[in-house]
Amino acid sequence: QKEVEQNSGPLSVPEGAIASLNCTYSDRGSQSFFWYRQYSGKSPELIMFIYSNGDKEDGRFTAQLNKASQYVSLLIRDSQPSDSATYLCAAEARNQFYFGTGTSLTVIP
Amino acid sequence: SQTIHQWPATLVQPVGSPLSLECTVEGTSNPNLYWYRQAAGRGLQLLFYSVGIGQISSEVPQNLSASRPQDRQFILSSKKLLLSDSGFYLCAWSVDQNTEAFFGQGTRLTVV
Repeated sequence: QKEVEQNSGPLSVPEGAIASLNCTYSDRGSQSFFWYRQYSGKSPELIMFIYSNGDKEDGRFTAQLNKASQYVSLLIRDSQPSDSATYLCAAEARNQFYFGTGTSLTVIP
Repeated sequence: SQTIHQWPATLVQPVGSPLSLECTVEGTSNPNLYWYRQAAGRGLQLLFYSVGIGQISSEVPQNLSASRPQDRQFILSSKKLLLSDSGFYLCAWSVDQNTEAFFGQGTRLTVV
């Protein structure tokens, strides 16, 4: 069983719509969760982190964490073509970061 | 502010040749350091992590090794590269295991 699992997509949304990205993790001991954005050929860059159950908002981005369901999500409001990228979910476990395989998002103008 | 440097950006090496990739972090002390590999179209695979000088943990058996000769320096090495070693190698650092990791620019390695 993989530590972190994501739907690989691809996910396509029209410009201005809400993009919803989902992630599940296997280690109930994980305390910290992260969303990264990776453009093609580039290294991942951090978008958000979340430690507590519930929602955390930062601009157009909202991260949601449900520890009982071992579920993390990222909502992108008012999606822009520049949001087109692969989104990686990560969870901390056993002193390391484990990454999902990423979800490819395309925002259609 | 903290910065991470990773070089080279691209590398083409023949099968059987050695490898040395270097990563340094500035602006912080005693960071956790990580080496990841990302094969084409795949996720990030953790190769090594280090919580201090000389302390290296390996996640997967392979012909790669890592060393941390100084607090903010992390080196990935191989004595003999395989075709399967091709990929995008990423160095990252974090304050500790519970805080976010920051990545270097990556090294795209092609073994021919």
